[in-house]
Amino acid sequence: DAKTTQPPSMDCAEGRAANLPCNHSTISGNEYVYWYRQIHSQGPQYIIHGLKNNETNEMASLIITEDRKSSTLILPHATLRDTAVYYCIVRAGGSNYKLTFGKGTLLTVNP
Amino acid sequence: DAMVIQNPRYQVTQFGKPVTLSCSQTLNHNVMYWYQQKSSQAPKLLFHYYDKDFNNEADTPDNFQSRRPNTSFCFLDIRSPGLGDAAMYLCATSRRQGFDTEAFFGQGTRLTVV
Repeated sequence: DAKTTQPPSMDCAEGRAANLPCNHSTISGNEYVYWYRQIHSQGPQYIIHGLKNNETNEMASLIITEDRKSSTLILPHATLRDTAVYYCIVRAGGSNYKLTFGKGTLLTVNP
Repeated sequence: DAMVIQNPRYQVTQFGKPVTLSCSQTLNHNVMYWYQQKSSQAPKLLFHYYDKDFNNEADTPDNFQSRRPNTSFCFLDIRSPGLGDAAMYLCATSRRQGFDTEAFFGQGTRLTVV
């Protein structure tokens, strides 16, 4: 599986956009980029995923660079409830569908 | 409604006393996963099932076993819990169809070993 690199922590002001970067320079052509988050003492929650096009849903936007070596998760209007650890995961395809977590980024949204 | 349900949410067991954690799902997903998450660490995959096909991670201790009697249920058995096995145990499910599947997680069972 391709590895990901994320900053260990970030801060964001409430109401502002939170931009969480992820590097995945060894990603292969059939691997998707997934984002999950984990609020303290809860199970991880799926946010969004993409292959090469930018994606948007009700929670967030995902911007993937053209070379697919990095991506950015954007929370457009962060709230205090968005404080969580955010995991960027590259998921192998084919017969290997395991979800392997890296260390993630602790996003703290401040009032 | 919860789609992946783990029981109990909190479990206290004695050192060396076998314990079983349970997970059930209403999604009819064919893949089920068990993760161990220790304090301030990322979830670590222990094993997963694709239907009844069991897949163990290479570094999962023999002390951990799993059973999946049917599509809906999966159990994690810890044969002789040690103090180092205290952790949050997370169950997850997903479909296995192509590459475009998301995983759904339960709320976890926090295991304390005394």
